[in-house]
Amino acid sequence: GESVGLHLPTLSVQEGDNSIINCAYSNSASDYFIWYKQESGKGPQFIIDIRSNMDKRQGQRVTVLLNKTVKHLSLQIAATQPGDSAVYFCAEIPSTRQLTFGSGTQLTVLP
Amino acid sequence: DTGVSQDPRHKITKRGQNVTFRCDPISEHNRLYWYRQTLGQGPEFLTYFQNEAQLEKSRLLSDRFSAERPKGSFSTLEIQRTEQGDSAMYLCASSPLGGPLGYTFGSGTRLTVV
Repeated sequence: GESVGLHLPTLSVQEGDNSIINCAYSNSASDYFIWYKQESGKGPQFIIDIRSNMDKRQGQRVTVLLNKTVKHLSLQIAATQPGDSAVYFCAEIPSTRQLTFGSGTQLTVLP
Repeated sequence: DTGVSQDPRHKITKRGQNVTFRCDPISEHNRLYWYRQTLGQGPEFLTYFQNEAQLEKSRLLSDRFSAERPKGSFSTLEIQRTEQGDSAMYLCASSPLGGPLGYTFGSGTRLTVV
């Protein structure tokens, strides 16, 4: 069936290092892929999105890479800060359906 | 308007009771969504409105669940005869008409059924 999943449930990085969070998806018909950050007790917060016809998109300290050949999405966070500690979800939007989330990766930034 | 507001933030109820949650979307957003999130999982789509019309319902939305958006502004989600399995975070999101992006989520209502 259609699903969006993550390779690792937890990731710990040292402050100042770069973080890479990975995601596998199975619906090749999705038009958009989005990364969300969710802090404890809060709703998901938009980070960055990428359209299916793109391979890479950069934002402020974040980069999303899309590899359609292997159906893989990644989020790179440069110079990770304590405030980046949160659960990160990838999500997809198929052309005719609603936002579909994966199960999340807990990112912990170590001092 | 500073974002999507949900009320209450927390609700504890006894099994079998009815509960109702409210969502106030961003005022200029035509679309409103309800999601459910259990611990350690990503949000799961429940239903969505475009203005006052409920256009899609997930099969997760059993007969005990009903959502309304009577005037195309705020929405309510009611759960009748609550069960322990209904314990979850209920998230509301809104987005503008015209594109698949621009979802803004509220902070959710955490329901605990005891």
